[in-house]
Amino acid sequence: QPVLTQSSSASASLGSSVKLTCALSSGHSSYTIAWHQQQPGKAPRYLMKVERSGSYNKGSGVPDRFSGSSSGADRYLTISNLQSEDEADYYCETWDTNIRVFGTGTKVTVL
Amino acid sequence: EVQLLESGGGFVQPGGSLRLSCAASGFTFSSYAMLWVRQAPGKGLEWVSFVTSNGGSTYYSDSVKGRFTISRDNSKNTLFLQMNSLRAEDTAVYYCARLWGASDYWGQGTLVTVSS
Repeated sequence: QPVLTQSSSASASLGSSVKLTCALSSGHSSYTIAWHQQQPGKAPRYLMKVERSGSYNKGSGVPDRFSGSSSGADRYLTISNLQSEDEADYYCETWDTNIRVFGTGTKVTVL
Repeated sequence: EVQLLESGGGFVQPGGSLRLSCAASGFTFSSYAMLWVRQAPGKGLEWVSFVTSNGGSTYYSDSVKGRFTISRDNSKNTLFLQMNSLRAEDTAVYYCARLWGASDYWGQGTLVTVSS
């Protein structure tokens, strides 16, 4: 089954950009993943799906500042023009026929 | 507007049972698979169980297999999670989510605390 690897933390200054990585395990480099944002004390929120090709499909109401991309077995979430409300945990998710998999999450701090 | 509203959480002793519900609205419930995900205090997301749109197939994580049962009532737009033989490590906020490939809508969660 696939395993997703994420860095535990990332930080960037207000107004700058940050790029988060979700790495798929060996043999699973073709999988589509999804990115979710969880602000402190809130439920997760779906941001987007990112495919192997790098194409991404955002959820309803997700700001243009959020974008996705892909390279090999890595899937990325880039947040541009970082805002204070972007300070949150970000999880990636993938799936197969009979399982769901979540990454361990990346905590983003806005400096 | 898609809405998912969980209920049924609470405090229960080890070995006890709880039944969670997730009331869905704003979409054709019977057309979507549905998922339960939990989050222990201070921890990450862990998938628990999911069910196909017609309820015909169910899947469980190894941590809950044999103890939890997922079901749905498409006539009432409601998803359920029957939790038996609860353990302290089942303490978590439980979220329901709609599946369209990814988990594309989430409920607000319900807290389950298992403690003596």
